[in-house]
Amino acid sequence: DTAVSQTPKYLVTQMGNDKSIKCEQNLGHDTMYWYKQDSKKFLKIMFSYNNKELIINETVPNRFSPKSPDKAHLNLHINSLELGDSAVYFCASSQDWGGLTEAFFGQGTRLTVV
Amino acid sequence: AQSVTQLDSHVSVSEGTPVLLRCNYSSSYSPSLFWYVQHPNKGLQLLLKYTSAATLVKGINGFEAEFKKSETSFHLTKPSAHMSDAAEYFCVVSKSGGGADGLTFGKGTHLIIQP
Repeated sequence: DTAVSQTPKYLVTQMGNDKSIKCEQNLGHDTMYWYKQDSKKFLKIMFSYNNKELIINETVPNRFSPKSPDKAHLNLHINSLELGDSAVYFCASSQDWGGLTEAFFGQGTRLTVV
Repeated sequence: AQSVTQLDSHVSVSEGTPVLLRCNYSSSYSPSLFWYVQHPNKGLQLLLKYTSAATLVKGINGFEAEFKKSETSFHLTKPSAHMSDAAEYFCVVSKSGGGADGLTFGKGTHLIIQP
């Protein structure tokens, strides 16, 4: 039974389109995240979300927006896609906000903008 | 602020020989430290974690790491490499107390296992 699941696994789309990536965790965790992994494998946090509190990495363009319908879901919406948005996006969750527990990651969504 | 430096972008060892992946961290707080592994086209899997308990931490698949505060290091080791260990390894620091920093990842070390 998958702990953190993302859909779709692959997403190819044209510049200018709007797309969403869904994420669900069945671990009962309080905190969820979105990370972006670039072509050099570097992972950078985009958003942290805990009990309705959203922390946004200031370097993330406002074309990216997380939506959390409930504690188990944190979806990522991207407007007006650009070539530079091509990357692998990982959703993750952790038990607490305290950094003491590990994060569990989804399998990633490979986004290709053409 | 916190940061992680993985000292080697690539490490190549022969099967059956020891593995050493080096990691140094910087944190203004008492950190939690983790090592994650990413196999090709896969997600990230936790290998082990340090959260202010024992400084020598044992993880899965025979890996272990030692937290050395004086050296601000958290190097990952394994006595004998296996072909299945070939992957990307990430050292990660988390600020105890959480917050906006979340998990800060190193740039990764690509481990190559020679037959």
